[in-house]
Order: sequence, then C-alpha cells, then structure tokens
Amino acid sequence: GESVGLHLPTLSVQEGDNSIINCAYSNSASDYFIWYKQESGKGPQFIIDIRSNMDKRQGQRVTVLLNKTVKHLSLQIAATQPGDSAVYFCAEKKKRIQGAQKLVFGQGTRLTINP
Amino acid sequence: GAGVSQSPRYKVAKRGQDVALRCDPISGHVSLFWYQQALGQGPEFLTYFQNEAQLDKSGLPSDRFFAERPEGSVSTLKIQRTQQEDSAVYLCASSPTRTTTNEKLFFGSGTQLSVL
Repeated sequence: GESVGLHLPTLSVQEGDNSIINCAYSNSASDYFIWYKQESGKGPQFIIDIRSNMDKRQGQRVTVLLNKTVKHLSLQIAATQPGDSAVYFCAEKKKRIQGAQKLVFGQGTRLTINP
Repeated sequence: GAGVSQSPRYKVAKRGQDVALRCDPISGHVSLFWYQQALGQGPEFLTYFQNEAQLDKSGLPSDRFFAERPEGSVSTLKIQRTQQEDSAVYLCASSPTRTTTNEKLFFGSGTQLSVL
C-alpha cells in the first residue's frame, strides 16, 4: 500500500539552531512532494515543494532534500525562531491518473523551539 | 476575502444529527478539496471539485457524506446521521489551477466537529 510517514513524532531544538525533519515515503510512483506547516487551530500552510526530477530545493531559511533511492524526504530549517514551532507534514502526490488529484499526508512532526 | 473561509468554526452535534459545513474558497480558485483531519493525524483526502464538477469522491468514508459546489464557488460538506467516529477537523482547500501542474493548496482553518 501507499504511505507517507515520519521518523520522529516530536523534535525539540534551541532557538537559533538548525532543525531537520525527516519523512519516508513508500510509493515510488510519487512525483511531487510538499512540506506543510500547521500551527495550532489553523489549517496547513504551504512551505516548499519539490518535484521528483530534483534532489534539492531552497527557499527562505528552508531547504528540502529528496533522495529517491531510499525514498526519503527532509526539511531543513535554518536558524530556527519561536514562530517555527508547529506541526510539520510532508505530503506526496502520485503521477496523475484519472481521479488521482489528492495529496497523501504523513502523520506529522511537532517541532518545538526552546528559548 | 483574503483566504479560504470555513464556517462554523466549531460544531457540536448529537449522534444521529445531520450537519452542514461551509467553505468559501479564494475568489476565482478553480479547484476545491475537502480533507478530514483526526486528532494527531495528517489530513486525509475526502473529495475534489474542479469548478462545479466533483471529479473525485473516493475519500468519502460512507454514503452519509455528501459534498456539493453547485455554482463552482462555495462548497458544502454534509454529513447525515453523524456518528462519534465522524468527530474530526474538516479542512477545505482551494487552488487557482486544475492541479495538473501546481498543487499548492490554500487551506482554511477548518471546522472542528464533535459528535456526542
């Protein structure tokens, strides 16, 4: 079956440090991956995405790495700030077939930034 | 509005009651999705609309769940004869494209449904 999961359910880092959130996926047919951030009481917010023809993509303070060989995705957040505290989800989407418009989300990792 | 708006923010229903959850997507957005998020879990796909057409409803858990978007803008998710396992946050998301090339979704804050 298909699944998107995370290695660690919780992660605690010191403010200013870098954090790395990991995600494993099992569907080799997936061609698109997204990281979302969800703060308490809010809906998921897009952070960064990457297509399967890339292995790295950078945004503002965030980098996503994709290793298709081992089906692993990671989100690196540089110089973490208190506002980065949230639950982070990876999501995958298979190559488009009829009806396959949906994203499959992982369980999520709760990131806590300590002052 | 500036973002996806969902109402009500919270809904408490007695088991067996029918509920209707509303989603106002970002104006002009073609695609609209409904997701169900259980406590401590990631969102799970329910259904997808492209304008007024419901192109994928494979995630609806039973025939008690029904969604519509009659004019291609506002959408309603209806749950009949609610059961305790329906308790979850129901998220609506929209996208300006038909999702073939850009899957960036804009989510609302959700409706938290509690069935007693």
